[in-house]
Amino acid sequence: DIVLTQSPLSLPVTPGEPASISCRSSQSLLHSNGKHYLDWYLQKSGQSPQLLIYLGSNRASGVPDRFSGSGSGTSFTLNISRVEAEDVGVYYCMQPLQSYTFGQGTKLEIK
Amino acid sequence: QVRLVQSGAEVRKPGASVKVSCKASGFTFSNYGFSWVRQAPGQGPEWMGWISGYNGNRRYAQKFQDRVTMTTETSTRTIYMEIGSLRSDDTAVYYCARDNGDSRDYWGQGTLVTVSS
Repeated sequence: DIVLTQSPLSLPVTPGEPASISCRSSQSLLHSNGKHYLDWYLQKSGQSPQLLIYLGSNRASGVPDRFSGSGSGTSFTLNISRVEAEDVGVYYCMQPLQSYTFGQGTKLEIK
Repeated sequence: QVRLVQSGAEVRKPGASVKVSCKASGFTFSNYGFSWVRQAPGQGPEWMGWISGYNGNRRYAQKFQDRVTMTTETSTRTIYMEIGSLRSDDTAVYYCARDNGDSRDYWGQGTLVTVSS
């Protein structure tokens, strides 16, 4: 199975400041079609996961533009340009390339 | 609007089976596949498998191959996930998600399955 490793696991952030989460894969997530198969989700307390980013860098419909995804191969990053209080929750990366797997999660909290 | 509405919470004894439903609306059912993901208390999500809304083709995570069955009912736009030989560590919230390969953009509200004697 492809293993996804996120860092940090805990992320205290002051509102208005930027935040960054890394996701490293044990294998390349580049498909032969040229797409990188890596999603980012936010799960708020008591809610279903919500898609933020798909194919590594595509923002999902309705997601604020302060969220962006980047990376290639085995290394990916989720950036939040200015954290807001509503961004609190656990962030997961997930790969659907080969029998889908999730990262361990990064808990973002407000300082 | 796009909606995935799941069936209500279930309680089962060890060794029993449970069938969870997920009713889709607001989009063309046959244009999409659907994934099932579960999340045990305090744990991260875990993918269980995928089924096509077009032709019912499916693939399961190896861990669940021998005790999970996913089906679709096109007439009612509903997908089902049945898991058998339940154990206490199957206690989890089970989610369905619309999955077109490139993205998993809409998720159901989740169904809590509790396995307890």
